[in-house]
Amino acid sequence: GEDVEQSLFLSVREGDSSVINCTYTDSSSTYLYWYKQEPGAGLQLLTYIFSNMDMKQDQRLTVLLNKKDKHLSLRIADTQTGDSAIYFCAESMSGYNKLIFGAGTRLAVHP
Amino acid sequence: NAGVTQTPKFQVLKTGQSMTLQCAQDMNHNSMYWYRQDPGMGLRLIYYSASEGTTDKGEVPNGYNVSRLNKREFSLRLESAAPSQTSVYFCASSEQAGEAFFGQGTRLTVV
Repeated sequence: GEDVEQSLFLSVREGDSSVINCTYTDSSSTYLYWYKQEPGAGLQLLTYIFSNMDMKQDQRLTVLLNKKDKHLSLRIADTQTGDSAIYFCAESMSGYNKLIFGAGTRLAVHP
Repeated sequence: NAGVTQTPKFQVLKTGQSMTLQCAQDMNHNSMYWYRQDPGMGLRLIYYSASEGTTDKGEVPNGYNVSRLNKREFSLRLESAAPSQTSVYFCASSEQAGEAFFGQGTRLTVV
């Protein structure tokens, strides 16, 4: 079945790196995503990775995928106060027009 | 750049009342979705529509109905609102699985 799990809260100091983790259960997932939700807003796609990749880097963001352990992580380098938000991991399967989301990790950045 | 537009933004209903949440997208996407967001539970899929004229149940469809009126519009109806339906509702659209664009959300309270 489909299930995505994340820790609910992460607190980091401004300038440090943040690592948000996610585990998923469906080995047939072909796409894995990170979405960001700022207060009072909808979700915005941050980045995604195909299941045949191990890593993807996009400016301050690094996504790591461990298919064996079904583990996905998002690293934010040089975390800023503007990065404070809820980050959602999501999975989808090829041919299925739906996303399954985790509960979201609230990232708090403090001085 | 309207993207995905939801109305209303806020609504308070009494138990047993009915209402329709409206959603429209201007990106010519085939797929549209309705999610509800509850604290600590992430986004749960209520219904989705892979293309005009088709709708399918998601994880939590009970108490809801949907209509894909045309390619642009996908509405969500609560026939007899219950306090358990108090939530934030998000509409989304995508051209392919995963790369979804979200509306700003409708905050619904049922008293």
